[in-house]
Amino acid sequence: KAGVTQTPRYLIKTRGQQVTLSCSPISGHRSVSWYQQTPGQGLQFLFEYFSETQRNKGNFPGRFSGRQFSNSRSEMNVSTLELGDSALYLCASSLFSITNYGYTFGSGTRLTVV
Amino acid sequence: GENVEQHPSTLSVQEGDSAVIKCTYSDSASNYFPWYKQELGKRPQLIIDIRSNVGEKKDQRIAVTLNKTAKHFSLHITETQPEDSAVYFCAASRNNNDMRFGAGTRLTVKP
Repeated sequence: KAGVTQTPRYLIKTRGQQVTLSCSPISGHRSVSWYQQTPGQGLQFLFEYFSETQRNKGNFPGRFSGRQFSNSRSEMNVSTLELGDSALYLCASSLFSITNYGYTFGSGTRLTVV
Repeated sequence: GENVEQHPSTLSVQEGDSAVIKCTYSDSASNYFPWYKQELGKRPQLIIDIRSNVGEKKDQRIAVTLNKTAKHFSLHITETQPEDSAVYFCAASRNNNDMRFGAGTRLTVKP
């Protein structure tokens, strides 16, 4: 059974550009959550999608957006990149509710903004 | 939203000793409390979890305790080994998948 797949693994972008990251959940998982991980801030919650709807949202500016497709694959987009957006972006999938099944994380996309 | 605080931020123990990491949460409606282990350069992996209807759960050398009244939960690792060295994250959530993590504890087990 394939795990959570994130692409690309590494990205280098310049300030002001935009970027799109992709996450394919475990087959059958319908919930996908995104987190930003930085050394000083730990795992910061971005948003969670379930059945193509954003169900929860963290405290990030509107430059961070996402969507989920009918096959549960999810993308997140960051527009007008800033140096502070450099981080490891992790997605995690779960079957229905984390109270029953917990999260499985992908390996992440490491974004560097120069 | 939920706020999770985790202590200590770093912890160093001798091989064979016990390690304890503590977390507090703010939302009394939170009912699911997982712990994740992240080794250097790898993804976080679930190591144990506890739900609000249980006070303690054990899995070999790892145990988690939950005090709902005080809104805190702890991870206990006994007979630590060098391979236990990693960053450990606690988290708390309600049923709606809005899971918030603590800032992490870097555990170093010295041989």
